[in-house]
Amino acid sequence: AQKITQTQPGMFVQEKEAVTLDCTYDTSDPSYGLFWYKQPSSGEMIFLIYQGSYDQQNATEGRYSLNFQKARKSANLVISASQLGDSAMYFCAMREEVASNTGKLIFGQGTTLQVKP
Amino acid sequence: DAGITQSPRHKVTETGTPVTLRCHQTENHRYMYWYRQDPGHGLRLIHYSYGVKDTDKGEVSDGYSVSRSKTEDFLLTLESATSSQTSVYFCAISESIGKGRDYEQYFGPGTRLTVT
Repeated sequence: AQKITQTQPGMFVQEKEAVTLDCTYDTSDPSYGLFWYKQPSSGEMIFLIYQGSYDQQNATEGRYSLNFQKARKSANLVISASQLGDSAMYFCAMREEVASNTGKLIFGQGTTLQVKP
Repeated sequence: DAGITQSPRHKVTETGTPVTLRCHQTENHRYMYWYRQDPGHGLRLIHYSYGVKDTDKGEVSDGYSVSRSKTEDFLLTLESATSSQTSVYFCAISESIGKGRDYEQYFGPGTRLTVT
């Protein structure tokens, strides 16, 4: 069954350091997309980065990069040079692109990141 | 920013009362979704719509119904609210479904519902 697992309920990082948020997934779909969203304390869901299962290179968006290891079924988010504004809840999500014709997202439990000054 | 609004933004209601949450979009996107967010569970799909009058159930649909009579509006109804439905509800829209980032979902601001 499709599933997303985020094993780190909470993490701390020092300002200006890099941090990795873990995400593993399970699917039998041959084609899928992986997303990361940020949810600050204000509550909105902010899209950060997307990785397609068929993409040869790891996705990058500014200070965000995705360490995609397909054989290990992991899609870890790397935030470089952390800023105080990065303090938020982060969600990993998956969209199955063949087995499902709904476009729905399957979310992990989330990881709360706190950046220390 | 995608034009998605949710109303109300906050609501407190009593057990057993009916509640309707509204999602309104100005993007003319075909797909609309209702998720609920609970601690330890992330977001879970309640119902979704793939067109006017076309809806289907998600993984946590018990106790909820939806309707979509216009492209821009997707209503979520709790026929008889229970305390287990206390949650934050998010609406999302997508222009289409398929491969790639182009088909990402855009989320509304959320509705915090408390059932006492």
